Amino acid sequence: EPEVTQTPSHQVTQMGQEVILRCVPISNHLYFYWYRQILGQKVEFLVSFYNNEISEKSEIFDDQFSVERPDGSNFTLKIRSTKLEDSAMYFCASSEARAQRGRTGELFFGEGSRLTVL
Amino acid sequence: RKEVEQDPGPFNVPEGATVAFNCTYSNSASQSFFWYRQDCRKEPKLLMSVYSSGNEDGRFTAQLNRASQYISLLIRDSKLSDSATYLCVVNIAGNTPLVFGKGTRLSVIA
Repeated sequence: EPEVTQTPSHQVTQMGQEVILRCVPISNHLYFYWYRQILGQKVEFLVSFYNNEISEKSEIFDDQFSVERPDGSNFTLKIRSTKLEDSAMYFCASSEARAQRGRTGELFFGEGSRLTVL
Repeated sequence: RKEVEQDPGPFNVPEGATVAFNCTYSNSASQSFFWYRQDCRKEPKLLMSVYSSGNEDGRFTAQLNRASQYISLLIRDSKLSDSATYLCVVNIAGNTPLVFGKGTRLSVIA
């Protein structure tokens, strides 16, 4: 069964450092997402990406964050100048398509990258 | 009113019990509704989509009430393996990304 893969599974970094989280979405999917989940809290939307550009982003996704699809398979999230409060599980997700008539297609998630900022 | 609200639980039920979760959403323009399941420190996994007519998948039944803006999940004959957090997921309006509720924790006890 095709799946979304993420690396690294866990990254520890010092405050102020830059991190790059990598994702390989399911190959025939067209929409890509990053969500995050701070320990004990709900899953929060960060950004969606379609046709090589950001389609939507949340208030959380400020100038500290950026996404890129550097080649035909990878989808990356870069976090610059990390802060303690960036510590969270970051989930990549993909969907085959936006369903029609205003509906959103179901998301398939990777196993997540746990980021710990010290 | 929060975009997606769920009773956090926990719901502690014996094996074989029937348990129901409700979720309310704030925007009447929402079109897409899902239940996801999340095990501790794991990724959310799609349990089922929720359709207007209601739908059933084995022991799981999902219902949508547009007038009252809530969706429900019914689990019959609970198994120990059903223990998890159940996430209500909705798109707030139109083609917007999916928004997650905080989840309802279920513990099925032997």
